[in-house]
Amino acid sequence: EVQLEESGGGLGQPGGSLRLSCLASGFTFRRYWMSWLRQTPGKGLEFVANINEVGREKYYVDSVRGRFTISRDNAKNSVYLQMNSLRVEDTAVYYCVRDVDHGHFDFWGQGILVTVSS
Amino acid sequence: VLTQSPGTLSLSPGERATLSCRASQSVGGRYLAWYQQKPGQAPRLLIYHTSNRATGIPDRFSGSGSGTDFTLTISRLEPEDFAMYYCQQYDKSKTFGQGTRVEI
Repeated sequence: EVQLEESGGGLGQPGGSLRLSCLASGFTFRRYWMSWLRQTPGKGLEFVANINEVGREKYYVDSVRGRFTISRDNAKNSVYLQMNSLRVEDTAVYYCVRDVDHGHFDFWGQGILVTVSS
Repeated sequence: VLTQSPGTLSLSPGERATLSCRASQSVGGRYLAWYQQKPGQAPRLLIYHTSNRATGIPDRFSGSGSGTDFTLTISRLEPEDFAMYYCQQYDKSKTFGQGTRVEI
């Protein structure tokens, strides 16, 4: 059974940093692209970033490029999202998602809340 | 931009639901997916590549369309189908529609 478990969310300060982690199990992690998506009541679902199987290709939505960094460790079956220079508008539920060939998303974690507030 | 309509669909169990997703420019490769989301849960993949059902999805769910106009059809609504539905294109980057709520 595919499982994706996010951790590391919580309260962050504007201008501060948080690091999200996602531990994957139930599939051959090194064979898949992985993504982070987020959801807010106002903006809905939004793609944040993704990374290819070996970590060499990375894509970001414009609003986080230069502030967020996605990375992975295939030995640990984990993908990460380093979030720097946090803004209030980064407040959202963040999902770790398995990405099928840089396309659609076939398995989702339960999501983790990130709140940016002073 | 993906625009879903209607915003809310009020139907009864057993009825047919037709959800629309319109793109502001043509979606190449039929690279369009549909997701279902229930309160407090993560979205679940229903349909990918416009018309392919994901593993374990009942055949009452079907997808169709091309170019800028796509449709998700639920042939006979079951009680567990009342939820939010989102379309997503993955031809040019990845973007989602704003969702259609299917309610009783």
